[in-house]
Amino acid sequence: GDSVTQMEGPVTLSEEAFLTINCTYTATGYPSLFWYVQYPGEGLQLLLKATKADDKGSNKGFEATYRKETTSFHLEKGSVQVSDSAVYFCALGLRAQKLVFGQGTRLTINP
Amino acid sequence: EADIYQTPRYLVIGTGKKITLECSQTMGHDKMYWYQQDPGMELHLIHYSYGVNSTEKGDLSSESTVSRIRTEHFPLTLESARPSHTSQYLCASAPGGTGYNYGYTFGSGTRLTVV
Repeated sequence: GDSVTQMEGPVTLSEEAFLTINCTYTATGYPSLFWYVQYPGEGLQLLLKATKADDKGSNKGFEATYRKETTSFHLEKGSVQVSDSAVYFCALGLRAQKLVFGQGTRLTINP
Repeated sequence: EADIYQTPRYLVIGTGKKITLECSQTMGHDKMYWYQQDPGMELHLIHYSYGVNSTEKGDLSSESTVSRIRTEHFPLTLESARPSHTSQYLCASAPGGTGYNYGYTFGSGTRLTVV
């Protein structure tokens, strides 16, 4: 069935380090792909999205490229800040507005 | 500004009480969802609705019930709260249609503690 697998956390980095959070998916058809971010005590916020193969989503210095050949949508940021500490969810967007979420990756950035 | 609102943000309540968690959206979205989020962060879909008078149970069995009498309003009710209901509850909405997936807009959540 349709599923998303995310890199297991927690992930701890120092400020200004390079970040990669891996996400791979299994799906039939042509899904959209999303990254959501959840700050402490809040709901999920859409961080970026891509709707077709080779699309690159970007926002707030984060990027992810829709790779159909490797069924991946890895999240990257060149230089993380303490304020990036949060939980990140990869999600697969299917038809009829169904979303399938990964299990979430907790990221902590130390000053 | 179009948004989705959940109230209350925090609720501490005694065992056996009836509670209703409120969720309203101003975007005119047809589809609405309730998720339960466990301490391990994973999201579990407990209810969803594709329009007025339409409600369905999600992937995780829940003792809660929902109603959808108005497009903008999707409340969740627990008739008799128990400590096992302690969790974060997240409401979300999405436009209707069967094609392109726009993703969901989430509320800020309600953190429920049953003592």
